[in-house]
Amino acid sequence: QSALTQPASVSGSPGQSITISCSGTSSDVADYNYVSWYQQHPGKAPKLMIYDVSNRPSGVSNRFSGSKSDNTASLTISGLQAEDEADYYCSSYTSGSTLFGGGTKVTVL
Amino acid sequence: EVQLVESGGGLVQPGGSLRLSCAASGFTFSSYAMYWVRQAPGKGLESVSAIRSNGGSTYYVNSVKGRFTISRDNSKNTLYLQMGSLRAEDMAVYYCARVARNYWFFDLWGRGTLVTVSS
Repeated sequence: QSALTQPASVSGSPGQSITISCSGTSSDVADYNYVSWYQQHPGKAPKLMIYDVSNRPSGVSNRFSGSKSDNTASLTISGLQAEDEADYYCSSYTSGSTLFGGGTKVTVL
Repeated sequence: EVQLVESGGGLVQPGGSLRLSCAASGFTFSSYAMYWVRQAPGKGLESVSAIRSNGGSTYYVNSVKGRFTISRDNSKNTLYLQMGSLRAEDMAVYYCARVARNYWFFDLWGRGTLVTVSS
């Protein structure tokens, strides 16, 4: 039940693109296309941004996109905006439960 | 309005007990699996416990096995987490979260309730 591995922080200037990685194992990310991403602003509940690796829920900006290669999933934010500054968590299904990554703080410079 | 509202958090001494509740409204609660997810101060998210829609199967993270019990009352649209033998490391905001039907992601979250473990 080890957490998925994310970089602690990623930063970028407005308008730039950034990518957050999420590394797992053959028991989670590599074995299932059930990776999701959540955005969390301070003091708020998490918000679903991507599900099933690359699907966007209704209402989420198309600036957010997801992908996966082997045991590493990625979230890309294009056209970075000030409102994107938040913590981001990946999550993956694994054998009847759900693992989260440690979280990545995105800073808009 | 579709929402989840947690309650029951508060200050408890190490070794003490607490019961959290999560009231669901605006959707058919009995059709969804539910989770408790916690977040320690300044830390990341952690899946604590889960329960199937009919209550027939449960999951616990290793660190709470034998101390926490998840349950639900579908007639009251309420999810519970009975917490016992509380430790300092259990201190966190506890969120209840809905698992999207036929998927493996959380599509609805409550605002959370804070559990503080301190003497």
